[in-house]
Amino acid sequence: AQSVTQLGSHVSVSEGALVLLRCNYSSSVPPYLFWYVQYPNQGLQLLLKYTSAATLVKGINGFEAEFKKSETSFHLTKPSAHMSDAAEYFCAVSDQGNTGKLIFGQGTTLQVKP
Amino acid sequence: GAVVSQHPSRVICKSGTSVKIECRSLDFQATTMFWYRQFPKQSLMLMATSNEGSKATYEQGVEKDKFLINHASLTLSTLTVTSAHPEDSSFYICSATSWALGGYTFGSGTRLTVV
Repeated sequence: AQSVTQLGSHVSVSEGALVLLRCNYSSSVPPYLFWYVQYPNQGLQLLLKYTSAATLVKGINGFEAEFKKSETSFHLTKPSAHMSDAAEYFCAVSDQGNTGKLIFGQGTTLQVKP
Repeated sequence: GAVVSQHPSRVICKSGTSVKIECRSLDFQATTMFWYRQFPKQSLMLMATSNEGSKATYEQGVEKDKFLINHASLTLSTLTVTSAHPEDSSFYICSATSWALGGYTFGSGTRLTVV
C-alpha cells in the first residue's frame, strides 16, 4: 500500500524567502505524486503532479517539485514566498495512475510573515 | 477545465436525522468518485471509492451503513450520512476522475455540523 509522509506540520517563512515543504512517499510501484493547496473551508487546488515523465515538475504560482527516486522524495519549493501563499499544503500519492485512490499526507501549514 | 460541484457547502442538522451531500461533475463524465472526510487541522481521510453503476468500496473502519454512497450516473455521486450524531460533524470533500480527464478534480467541500 502507498503512503505519504510530510515532514513538518508547520512551516514559517518570511515574505520573499525560499519555501521548502518536504514530502516522502512509499509505493510498491512507480508512483504518481501530487501537491495540492487548500485554503480555509475550501476544496483542494492542484499545484503540480509527477506522472513518470520529467523529474522536475513545474506547477502554478511559481511552485515546482523534484522527484527523487533514490530518496523517495517529492519536495515542493518556491523561490520567493508571497503572503498569498499562506495555506495548507498536501502531498498525495496514487499507485494507479491518475484514476486510483489518492492517499494524502498529514499536511503542512505554511505561514508567511511580512 | 473540469469542474466538480458539491452541494450543500454547509449544513446543520439535528442529531438522529440524515443528510445527503451531492457531488456532480459538470463538464465531464466521472467514472470514479472518491469521498473524503477532513477533521479540523488534519488531513483528508479517504472514506470510499465509487464507480458508476457499482457498489462503493469502503475503506477499513468506515461504516458503510452510516455513510451511504450512491453513484447512479456518470455525473452524480451522493453521500448520505444516516442517523447523524455530533461526532459525524466534519468537512466532507468529494473528488472525481476519469481516464479521459487524466487527473482528479475536487469539490469545494461540505461543512456538516450535527447538533
